[in-house]
Amino acid sequence: AQTVTQSQPEMSVQEAETVTLSCTYDTSESDYYLFWYKQPPSRQMILVIRQEAYKQQNATENRFSVNFQKAAKSFSLKISDSQLGDAAMYFCAYATSGTYKYIFGTGTRLKVLA
Amino acid sequence: EAGVTQFPSHSVIEKGQTVTLRCDPISGHDNLYWYRRVMGKEIKFLLHFVKESKQDESGMPNNRFLAERTGGTYSTLKVQPAELEDSGVYFCASSLDRTLSYEQYFGPGTRLTVT
Repeated sequence: AQTVTQSQPEMSVQEAETVTLSCTYDTSESDYYLFWYKQPPSRQMILVIRQEAYKQQNATENRFSVNFQKAAKSFSLKISDSQLGDAAMYFCAYATSGTYKYIFGTGTRLKVLA
Repeated sequence: EAGVTQFPSHSVIEKGQTVTLRCDPISGHDNLYWYRRVMGKEIKFLLHFVKESKQDESGMPNNRFLAERTGGTYSTLKVQPAELEDSGVYFCASSLDRTLSYEQYFGPGTRLTVT
């Protein structure tokens, strides 16, 4: 069975600094998708970034980028130039291609310090 | 465009009572999903609708949970009777298509507390 592990329950970063959130996963599949979702307090969970496993190039969305290490089954999220609005719960998720069920990690709460 | 909405945002009930959670997906999204996060744990899939039909309810914990999607629009998730272990945050999501090319859009969740 596939699993997703986020080993950092909470992280803090100073405003304008860079922070990296860790995510590892376990699967025997070769074709799958990985996601990072962000949930601000009492707000919708929104997609931050996604990565297709067959793509070797790391996905990037503005200040957000991932380090996708397929062999190591690692999918970390780097947030550059952190802003106060980045404070949220971040969830890493996995889904096998051809399915629709997301498998989530336990989440990492990110605090941004002014 | 309105996002996925859920009602109520928070519900506190006593053990043995009934609670109904509602989800309104994005207009035009045929696919609707329910997930649940028990405190401190991962978010887990509960079930999936395509229009009004249940496609997959493999994640439903037990028969105290009943999900419906009337007319393929909004969905309700009823818990009857509620138990302490049902406490958690219930998320609803919707997507245009079931394939992973289409993003699942999540609502803000309903926090259920069973005392």
